[in-house]
Amino acid sequence: SQQGEEDPQALSIQEGENATMNCSYKTSINNLQWYRQNSGRGLVHLILIRSNEREKHSGRLRVTLDTSKKSSSLLITASRAADTASYFCATDMNRDDKIIFGKGTRLHILP
Amino acid sequence: EPEVTQTPSHQVTQMGQEVILRCVPISNHLYFYWYRQILGQKVEFLVSFYNNEISEKSEIFDDQFSVERPDGSNFTLKIRSTKLEDSAMYFCASSVAETQYFGPGTRLLVL
Repeated sequence: SQQGEEDPQALSIQEGENATMNCSYKTSINNLQWYRQNSGRGLVHLILIRSNEREKHSGRLRVTLDTSKKSSSLLITASRAADTASYFCATDMNRDDKIIFGKGTRLHILP
Repeated sequence: EPEVTQTPSHQVTQMGQEVILRCVPISNHLYFYWYRQILGQKVEFLVSFYNNEISEKSEIFDDQFSVERPDGSNFTLKIRSTKLEDSAMYFCASSVAETQYFGPGTRLLVL
């Protein structure tokens, strides 16, 4: 299975701190994506990193990819209460292929 | 910004009844997907659809499930005879390149 597995399963931090979530997967990939899901709501695409990229930034988000270790990390800097959500990594093997989600990290930002 | 939309947002049905979940993908997208998320579990791939036919389906997508693109805008998922274990959030997604954009989901409850 190429499923992504995030850790930690749950993370609570103070507002303003940085949050780091990790993802590991099992097989070679084409892309790795991170999604956010607020409780009981839809999935919001955050960022996509290709297998030939090592790091990508988008606003307060920083994603790294290490294909030799089959792992990725998502860093959210200067966290806000609105960042409270579940975060999922998702991988695909080919363009326009299905994506396989991990179990997610539940992030809780404390005021 | 264009969005994937889904209707209804919630559906309650009796076991054995047929349900149709509707999605309007983003207009210039060519690839369409259905995923589901059972409460507290990860998002699972059901089926992908391209050029008016199924391109891939998972083991979950058995003979009780079907998909259709009846016109140029709608993409539907039909469950012929619902079971209790079909209770889940169902997400539609569409893509034109690597990124899949998800709708807000339909929460299906089978009683």
